[in-house]
Amino acid sequence: GAGVSQSPRYKVAKRGQDVALRCDPISGHVSLFWYQQALGQGPEFLTYFQNEAQLDKSGLPSDRFFAERPEGSVSTLKIQRTQQEDSAVYLCASRGGGSYNEQFFGPGTRLTVL
Amino acid sequence: GIQVEQSPPDLILQEGANSTLRCNFSDSVNNLQWFHQNPWGQLINLFYIPSGTKQNGRLSATTVATERYSLLYISSSQTTDSGVYFCAVERMDSSYKLIFGSGTRLLVRP
Repeated sequence: GAGVSQSPRYKVAKRGQDVALRCDPISGHVSLFWYQQALGQGPEFLTYFQNEAQLDKSGLPSDRFFAERPEGSVSTLKIQRTQQEDSAVYLCASRGGGSYNEQFFGPGTRLTVL
Repeated sequence: GIQVEQSPPDLILQEGANSTLRCNFSDSVNNLQWFHQNPWGQLINLFYIPSGTKQNGRLSATTVATERYSLLYISSSQTTDSGVYFCAVERMDSSYKLIFGSGTRLLVRP
């Protein structure tokens, strides 16, 4: 597709459930990022992949959060045993690589944990 | 870590008015981007502007990297300009992740 796509767009989970959020980056983009956006705030970095390698996961808030990109394209962000504080919009972004550093964002997945 | 401050936090304009949004950052940067987040939450790329001046229609942006600030100009504002405008920077140490400001919330009234 022409842009970054994410699914589902909305997810409601009961506390304690596991969820999986998917990101399809722009075709051919080497770098992929996950961000978390709380209500009324700017996005905050979670993790970064270059191809299939996860080079930085310093922003993941706990060990309940796990991300993968096994074939260097589609990525999945998994949250285990969801808590109410996990409620947020999860944004995925991709970047082409080389010296051109512009990031392009998907529409996000709004997660609500009840 | 690097600090990104945006001003003003909130702005209300009458349709047709002009405005200037400011982004200050506390350290040298590789990359600076301006985004518009529409009411549906989509982050729309406005400018990739680590330095210099760019224009796109009614919008223009200037980044003075040596003085660590960037400005976004909106001229002849329209109701569709409403939303939140974010500035985001990537540190000079090539940390690749974007650090966002807290945004400017713009409302354009008809």
